Parts: sequence; C-alpha cells; structure tokens
Amino acid sequence: GQNIDQPTEMTATEGAIVQINCTYQTSGFNGLFWYQQHAGEAPTFLSYNVLDGLEEKGRFSSFLSRSKGYSYLLLKELQMKDSASYLCAVRDSNYQLIWGAGTKLIIKP
Amino acid sequence: DVKVTQSSRYLVKRTGEKVFLECVQDMDHENMFWYRQDPGLGLRLIYFSYDVKMKEKGDIPEGYSVSREKKERFSLILESASTNQTSMYLCASSPGLAGVETQYFGPGTRLLVL
Repeated sequence: GQNIDQPTEMTATEGAIVQINCTYQTSGFNGLFWYQQHAGEAPTFLSYNVLDGLEEKGRFSSFLSRSKGYSYLLLKELQMKDSASYLCAVRDSNYQLIWGAGTKLIIKP
Repeated sequence: DVKVTQSSRYLVKRTGEKVFLECVQDMDHENMFWYRQDPGLGLRLIYFSYDVKMKEKGDIPEGYSVSREKKERFSLILESASTNQTSMYLCASSPGLAGVETQYFGPGTRLLVL
C-alpha cells in the first residue's frame, strides 16, 4: 500500500531551527509537496521537490532523497506565526496526491 | 490570486438529509478535487474532475456523488448523510497535470451530522 509518515507533533522555540521529516512508500513518484495549514484554515503550498537535493525559499528549505524515500522541511528563524500543521504529500504514478497526516508544530516563546 | 470558495464554513445536518457542498474557483482551472480531513489522518480524496461533466472516484467515494456542469463549479453531494460523514471537507483546484502542479484549496466546510 501507499504510505506517508511524518511525526504527529513537534515543539520548537522562537528563533530556533526545526526539521520536519517525511518518509514515503508510494507506487511511483512524480514529486513531493509541502503545505502549511494553520488551524481552521485551508492548506497553502510551501514547496515542491522532484529532483534530489535542497530547495531553498527564504526561511524555508525542503530536501529530497528519492532513493531513500525521504524528505524534510527545514524552518529557520522560527516565528510564532509558524505555528501550524505541515503536510507532506507525494504525487504517485497516477498523478494523484497521497497525503501524510501532518505534523503539528508548536512554537514557544 | 487564485480564489477557491466554498458555500458554507459550517453546516449542521441530520442523519438521512441530502447535503450539497458547493465549490467555485475563479482561475479557469481544469482540475477540481474534493477531500475530507479527519484528525490523525491525511487528506483523503473523495472525487476529482479533470473536465466539465467528467468525474473520477478517489479513495473514498462511497456515500458521495459529485457534479461538474460548469468548469468553475464542482459540487459534492451526500445523498443521505450519516454520522460518519461528520468531517472537514476541502475543495481544491489545479491548472493541469504536469510540472509544479500545486493545488489551491478553499477554506473548508466543517460538517456535523447529528
């Protein structure tokens, strides 16, 4: 079956760095997405990886290793507004998105 | 900016009622999707559509149907609501199949079936 695993919850301190991991087992691979979802709101797109390596976008970076079925989202200089759930999703061979359950990130002052 | 709107933020219905959830996007996107989101689970795809009058079953279509009569509008129908359909329903749209094919989400409808 298809499976996306990410930690349920993480806690970090304002100003620090946090890494949210995602491992996947899917039938085929056509890209990996990270979305941010604040409580009670819609998910919004953060990043996309289809080739191995690191994609940097401001304070957020996303890394992919296709051979290991592994990705992480790195958040630097954490701000209180970064408190949210972070969803990992993989596009499979049918171009359908398979979603992880999300990681709830709690930022403490 | 892409805008995806959903007809209601909150709905309370009774078991056995017919429920309509409407979704409209204003960016001429080809693809539209209906998901449900439950605590501890990833988004689960109910139905999707790649074109007007076209629909495909997702992972959990049982108990649901959809309608896409116009490109911008995708409706989710619960023919006879049941308590296990209490959930957050998210609509999304995307412009095509290839490339950085991000999905744009509506604000969600939180449905409670009593």
